[in-house]
Amino acid sequence: AQKVTQAQTEISVVEKEDVTLDCVYETRDTTYYLFWYKQPPSGELVFLIRRNSFDEQNEISGRYSWNFQKSTSSFNFTITASQVVDSAVYFCALSVLTDSWGKLQFGAGTQVVVTP
Amino acid sequence: NAGVTQTPKFRVLKTGQSMTLLCAQDMNHEYMYWYRQDPGMGLRLIHYSVGEGTTAKGEVPDGYNVSRLKKQNFLLGLESAAPSQTSVYFCASRIQGLNTEAFFGQGTRLTVV
Repeated sequence: AQKVTQAQTEISVVEKEDVTLDCVYETRDTTYYLFWYKQPPSGELVFLIRRNSFDEQNEISGRYSWNFQKSTSSFNFTITASQVVDSAVYFCALSVLTDSWGKLQFGAGTQVVVTP
Repeated sequence: NAGVTQTPKFRVLKTGQSMTLLCAQDMNHEYMYWYRQDPGMGLRLIHYSVGEGTTAKGEVPDGYNVSRLKKQNFLLGLESAAPSQTSVYFCASRIQGLNTEAFFGQGTRLTVV
C-alpha cells in the first residue's frame, strides 16, 4: 500500500518569506509518480507539477521549486518570496506503476497562510 | 473549455434522503474518479472508472454507488444519506497512462443534517 505524509498542517509566513512544504512518501514500487496540487480558497484543485521516480532532477518554475530525493523518499516544494496569492492548501500525491488505473494517494495537505 | 464539471455545487440533504452527483468531462478521458475531502484527511478515493460501463471500489466506497453509462459522465449516488457523508466531493478525470495529471472539477459541498 502507498502512503503520503504531509506532516505540516499549517504554515504561516509574512509576504516575501520563503516557505517549504514537506512531503514524504512510502511505496514498494520502483516506478512511481509524484504530484503537487494547489487548492486556493475558491476550492478547485490546480495541478502544479509531476515527477517520475526515475527522474531525480530538481526543478524550478518561477517562484516555485521542487526537491525530489529518492534516498529519503521526499518530494519537497518551496515557494520563494511568497505572496498573498500563494495562500492555499497544497497537496502532495502519489501513483504507482503497478496500479494500472492511476489512482492517486493524497497526503493530508498543508495549509499555507501568507499575510501582508 | 469546460474541462470537468460537477453538478450541483452545493446541496443540503436530510438523513435518509438520496441524491446523485453528476460529473461531466469533455476531454475524452478514459479514467474518472470520485474523491471526498475531509479536514485533515486529504482526498480519499470513493470509486473510479477506467472506461464506459466499468466501475470499481476505492478506499472508502461504503454508502455510495456509481455508474458510467457514457464515457463523458460519471455519476455518484447516495442511496440513504448519513451525516458521516457530509464532505466536499471532487470528480477527476485523466487520460489513459500513469504519467499524466488528473483534472479536477470544482467540487460539490454536501451537508447531511
